[in-house]
Amino acid sequence: DAKTTQPNSMESNEEEPVHLPCNHSTISGTDYIHWYRQLPSQGPEYVIHGLTSNVNNRMASLAIAEDRKSSTLILHRATLRDAAVYYCILRANYPNSNSGYALNFGKGTSLLVTP
Amino acid sequence: DTEVTQTPKHLVMGMTNKKSLKCEQHMGHRAMYWYKQKAKKPPELMFVYSYEKLSINESVPSRFSPECPNSSLLNLHLHALQPEDSALYLCASRRTGGAGGYTFGSGTRLTVV
Repeated sequence: DAKTTQPNSMESNEEEPVHLPCNHSTISGTDYIHWYRQLPSQGPEYVIHGLTSNVNNRMASLAIAEDRKSSTLILHRATLRDAAVYYCILRANYPNSNSGYALNFGKGTSLLVTP
Repeated sequence: DTEVTQTPKHLVMGMTNKKSLKCEQHMGHRAMYWYKQKAKKPPELMFVYSYEKLSINESVPSRFSPECPNSSLLNLHLHALQPEDSALYLCASRRTGGAGGYTFGSGTRLTVV
C-alpha cells in the first residue's frame, strides 16, 4: 500500500485558515486521496476526497500537487469545533477481493485550535 | 437517513462471555466495514463485507466473528476475548461502484475484564 506522512500536530488560531499537509510520494495513478477527521469520542467523519484536480466542498478544500506526491487540506476559517485528528488516507486497493477498496489509516495530524 | 448506527455504545464483558456488536445503515450502501481503534491510535481495519459476502479479513483472531445477515445490518460476534481486546469498535459503510466517502458510526466502547 502507498503510505502517507503527516505532521504529528499543528496549532491554529480561531478564524484563521489552516493548511494541513500530507506527503504521499509512492501514490499510484489510481489512488484516491481521502481526508477524514475524528473528534474526541466520535467516529471518523468524511471531509473530502480527490484524484487529480483540486476539490472544494462546504467543509474544506483539497489542493493536490501536480505530480500528486503531496496534498494539502485547507480549512478556510478554523473554529474551535475543528479541533480534531485529521487523517490523510490513500484508499487501499485489494485486487483479490470483491469489494476492491478499504481505508487504511495512518497516524494523522492532531489539530489544536486556540481562541 | 444518512447515519451508521452502532449498538451498544458501551459494553463491559468478561473473558468467558459471548456478546455481539451491531451496526445498521439504511443508505443502501453495499460495502460495510469493521475497524478497531485503541486509545490514541488510528483505526485498524478488521473486516470488509461487500454485497453481504466477506471480502477482506485482516488476519483477525477467530474470537472475533463477523456476520452480515442482510444489506443493512452488520454484526460482530465476540467470544473469549482478552483484556487487550478492549478498544473502540467502529463500523463504516460506503456506496459501492464509486470513490466516494465512507460513513462511520460513533463506535462501541468495549471493555474486557
